[in-house]
Amino acid sequence: DTEVTQTPKHLVMGMTNKKSLKCEQHMGHRAMYWYKQKAKKPPELMFVYSYEKLSINESVPSRFSPECPNSSLLNLHLHALQPEDSALYLCASSLRGQGGHQETQYFGPGTRLLVL
Amino acid sequence: SQQGEEDPQALSIQEGENATMNCSYKTSINNLQWYRQNSGRGLVHLILIRSNEREKHSGRLRVTLDTSKKSSSLLITASRAADTASYFCATSLIQGAQKLVFGQGTRLTINP
Repeated sequence: DTEVTQTPKHLVMGMTNKKSLKCEQHMGHRAMYWYKQKAKKPPELMFVYSYEKLSINESVPSRFSPECPNSSLLNLHLHALQPEDSALYLCASSLRGQGGHQETQYFGPGTRLLVL
Repeated sequence: SQQGEEDPQALSIQEGENATMNCSYKTSINNLQWYRQNSGRGLVHLILIRSNEREKHSGRLRVTLDTSKKSSSLLITASRAADTASYFCATSLIQGAQKLVFGQGTRLTINP
């Protein structure tokens, strides 16, 4: 299984809602990532988990809260989002996420989020 | 920022022609990777070239890396309509966890 899955595919939420994005992989990867991508722009890194521990937070606002319950799952909890947070949210995983290793990242199909 | 710049931003060619995309970056890297993204979907890894490599091939793809000029190119030969997508270069730098920084991307259109 070389797939990263993300649910839901699409999400519409109001600014007062609380929702969660889910990501799952069964490749035995120990590094997982959240990216945000606006239209016609490159993906921007938000968070990195390595061995279930948060290792990078790219100064993301606290209305985005990541969680890594186990090595296969990654969640992104959303609360009090703004319309400018509307974007494609991509999850990715890689083998170890350790420096010195030449690793590729495997991406899920993304969740397209619209904040009204 | 070490974010890469890619050119052209958009490229439109006829099926069967070759497509060349360029990427430049600002700081020293461990490796450089190329990814493809079909419209509104996830990214697919194409090829990784290490900082001590100069050229790499994979099927119809040829990637070059010139670390002295901090630049890379992706050549797609004998293009097909299915190659229509956005192509991003991504550089890997820091240790401890792999952080990829993506270039702005090239939108490639293959006309049948």
